[in-house]
Amino acid sequence: AQSVTQLDSQVPVFEEAPVELRCNYSSSVSVYLFWYVQYPNQGLQLLLKYLSGSTLVESINGFEAEFNKSQTSFHLRKPSVHISDTAEYFCAVSNAGGSYIPTFGRGTSLIVHP
Amino acid sequence: KAGVTQTPRYLIKTRGQQVTLSCSPISGHRSVSWYQQTPGQGLQFLFEYFSETQRNKGNFPGRFSGRQFSNSRSEMNVSTLELGDSALYLCASSARQGNYGYTFGSGTRLTVV
Repeated sequence: AQSVTQLDSQVPVFEEAPVELRCNYSSSVSVYLFWYVQYPNQGLQLLLKYLSGSTLVESINGFEAEFNKSQTSFHLRKPSVHISDTAEYFCAVSNAGGSYIPTFGRGTSLIVHP
Repeated sequence: KAGVTQTPRYLIKTRGQQVTLSCSPISGHRSVSWYQQTPGQGLQFLFEYFSETQRNKGNFPGRFSGRQFSNSRSEMNVSTLELGDSALYLCASSARQGNYGYTFGSGTRLTVV
């Protein structure tokens, strides 16, 4: 079985500062990795995903994440955050084959201060 | 194109009652999954349907059930509601079976009193 650990429950940061949201996973097989964002009173939106190929994946709104197999990590980064990035961020992992139902982390609340 | 639509958005029920939640996936998506989200347990997988068949089921009691219709719309039912069933219920759809990234609906907020 796989598991996901989001190391920080809350990350406060000032606007235009860089941010990193940490995600570590555990799995005995090849994995797919995902980051989702949830704004208040809404469902989750897929931010970016790693399925195969380049270990660095990017989203359209400036976020990026790097798959590090040796450290079993998939940290999310943004070089300069905006107030509008304030939201809950979830990391998810699933097996690349077989049982593919994803396991979600407990979430990291990103709070961007002006 | 329209996103995943969940109805109703909010629901208040009394202990012991039953409830039915509805989910319309993105047009053309045949896979629908349901999740329960609570502050204490986070996101927990309920079940997945593909082409009207339940393909996977999470670790929830039999009071939780679901189905999928030929147009891919899905419903989930919770019978004999308990206070602990209060949660945000999220539906997610994808074009094919397997996890390549889901599109979630806005959820149904169920409160059991």
